[in-house]
Amino acid sequence: NSKVIQTPRYLVKGQGQKAKMRCIPEKGHPVVFWYQQNKNNEFKFLINFQNQEVLQQIDMTEKRFSAECPSNSPCSLEIQSSEAGDSALYLCASSLLEDEQYFGPGTRLTVL
Amino acid sequence: QQKVQQSPESLIVPEGGMASLNCTSSDRNVDYFWWYRQHSGKSPKMLMSIFSNGEKEEGRFTVHLNKASLHTSLHIRDSQPSDSALYLCAAASSGSWQLIFGSGTQLTVMP
Repeated sequence: NSKVIQTPRYLVKGQGQKAKMRCIPEKGHPVVFWYQQNKNNEFKFLINFQNQEVLQQIDMTEKRFSAECPSNSPCSLEIQSSEAGDSALYLCASSLLEDEQYFGPGTRLTVL
Repeated sequence: QQKVQQSPESLIVPEGGMASLNCTSSDRNVDYFWWYRQHSGKSPKMLMSIFSNGEKEEGRFTVHLNKASLHTSLHIRDSQPSDSALYLCAAASSGSWQLIFGSGTQLTVMP
């Protein structure tokens, strides 16, 4: 069973508001991923880290989205100015290097 | 265009029947495939992985991979109602650890 912890489980924001979610990866996993799963079950990779360093990120992430994985603190994903289209399940996953990814329970964001 | 295509979109099988799910990648750089299962309201859980040509069996689940055609399939024999879930195929290439997911096959096993 996955030991990835995500908080909060549910998040409701108004358009233009900031939305921040957190993830604690499984102990010993150096790689952390953020994915967005929309209502059509489509997954979109957002960003990944190895320890504190960004490995890959998509263009969307570079604009309204910001993420970090500081040492000795939870990783976080923040949307600076939420839009209705950001409503989705945000999944954090962690892994060893080039290994199976273990997913957390997700944060379900609703932007009103 | 989606780089990982899954079919069918939905599948209904009777309890005890065989469910066959398909997945193809259009990205020639893909080296690895995973199958995840996601029950409603839950996060995806890895079912099986396959990286080499051939077949791999674990209990009631069998996966096949043809690397030349970048096609993988998942077969569930003796399907149970608890197998009802969204089955996601994910692919990755060496050195790029991000998973590219298909849109999934919604499996319903009727008692």
